[in-house]
Amino acid sequence: DIQMTQSPSSLSASVGDRVTITCRASQTINNYLNWFQQKPGKAPKLLIYAASTLQSGVPSRFSGSGSGTDFTLTISSLQPEDSATYYCQQSSSGRTFGQGTKVEIK
Amino acid sequence: EVQLVESGGGLIQPGGSLRLSCAASGFTVSSNYMSWVRQAPGMGLEWVSIIYSAGNTYYADSVKGRFTISRDNSKNTLYFQMNSLRVEDTAVYYCARLYVGSDWETFDLWGQGTLVTVSS
Repeated sequence: DIQMTQSPSSLSASVGDRVTITCRASQTINNYLNWFQQKPGKAPKLLIYAASTLQSGVPSRFSGSGSGTDFTLTISSLQPEDSATYYCQQSSSGRTFGQGTKVEIK
Repeated sequence: EVQLVESGGGLIQPGGSLRLSCAASGFTVSSNYMSWVRQAPGMGLEWVSIIYSAGNTYYADSVKGRFTISRDNSKNTLYFQMNSLRVEDTAVYYCARLYVGSDWETFDLWGQGTLVTVSS
C-alpha cells in the first residue's frame, strides 16, 4: 500500500502569511494527487486535483505543485476562513489519504 | 442541484448490522464511480469501498468480507450494508463521487456524512 505523509501535522500562522504544506508518497504516484479542505463537522471539500489543477470555485490563493513522490499545497495569503484541516490523497494505486495538517490562525 | 444525501447511521451494538443510504440528485449514480469514505472521531479520512459504473466493487482490507457496496439504479441511490460491526467501525461515513479524467481521478462531490456508533 502507498503511504502518504504530510508535514507539518499542525501550524499556526497570521492572516496574510504564505503557508506551505507538504505531502510525500512512499512510492511514485505521478500526478495522482488531490488536496482537500475539511472544516469541523463538515465534509471534505476538493481544492486541487491532478497535483496542480484548481477546482472550480476555489480561490486562486490556493495552489498545488509537485510530481512523483513530493507535493506541496500553498496558500499564498492566509485568510481567516482558511482555518481548517487539509488532507492530501493519492489515487495512483488504491486510494489513501495523508494524516492531515491542521491550520490555525494566530 | 447536484448533491448526495446520506442516511441510515445510528447506534448499534457490536456484531450488529446497519445499512447506509446515499441518495443522489442532479446526476446518475450508475454512470459514475461511487465510493464510501469514513472518518473515525478525531481521526483522518479512510477510503473503504468503491463501485464502478460497470458494477465491479472493491473494499479496503479493514471491511472486506463484512461490508457490501451496492446501488439501486431506479432510486438513483448508493447503499452500504455493514455486517459484523466492530467498535473500530465507529465513524462518520461519507459517500463520494469519484470523477475520472484522462490521467487523474478525484473525489469531486461529497455527502454531508452519517455517524455510525458501534457500542454496547
